Amino acid sequence: GAGVSQSPSNKVTEKGKDVELRCDPISGHTALYWYRQSLGQGLEFLIYFQGNSAPDKSGLPSDRFSAERTGGSVSTLTIQRTQQEDSAVYLCASSLGLAGISYNEQFFGPGTRLTVL
Amino acid sequence: AQSVTQLDSQVPVFEEAPVELRCNYSSSVSVYLFWYVQYPNQGLQLLLKYLSGSTLVKGINGFEAEFNKSQTSFHLRKPSVHISDTAEYFCAVNDSTSYDKVIFGPGTSLSVIP
Repeated sequence: GAGVSQSPSNKVTEKGKDVELRCDPISGHTALYWYRQSLGQGLEFLIYFQGNSAPDKSGLPSDRFSAERTGGSVSTLTIQRTQQEDSAVYLCASSLGLAGISYNEQFFGPGTRLTVL
Repeated sequence: AQSVTQLDSQVPVFEEAPVELRCNYSSSVSVYLFWYVQYPNQGLQLLLKYLSGSTLVKGINGFEAEFNKSQTSFHLRKPSVHISDTAEYFCAVNDSTSYDKVIFGPGTSLSVIP
């Protein structure tokens, strides 16, 4: 596609339920990132994929959060047993992920707004 | 550990007035610096970046930023703002040993008043 897409755009769920957020990166981009943007906060790094592997999971806030990427393309972020503090906008970004280049620009999707009641 | 500070959470400014959005960072290694803009209900878009070379970098929509290593700052400026510049602006940094991990500041909300 032309850009990074995310679905759903909005998700309202009840506390304790599981949710899945989806990210479709730009075709050909090998690197994929998940961030969380809480009200009044900056972007919090969650996890980074290079291909299907996740060399950096350091930002996942708890073991309720997990992410996977299959086929080097689509990624799913899963939050189990959601809590009210999980309410935020979850942003996905992708980049070419080329090794040896000083910087790979990240392109962001529009985000998924998650509200936990 | 790296961190990014944006001291001004909200900046109101009249249309056609100049604006400066402040950003300071902390890092013990060489850094790459970025400004991203997020228009209402949209994703983040790269405004400009400093990787090396000239400390004054120009970006889209008439914005520019100056890297000051001694003051560890990367302030964003525009000589004359437009209503359409109303958005959230994020300063970000990644160090040269971790090209793919970017640390974002808390953001500055720019409101342009007609």
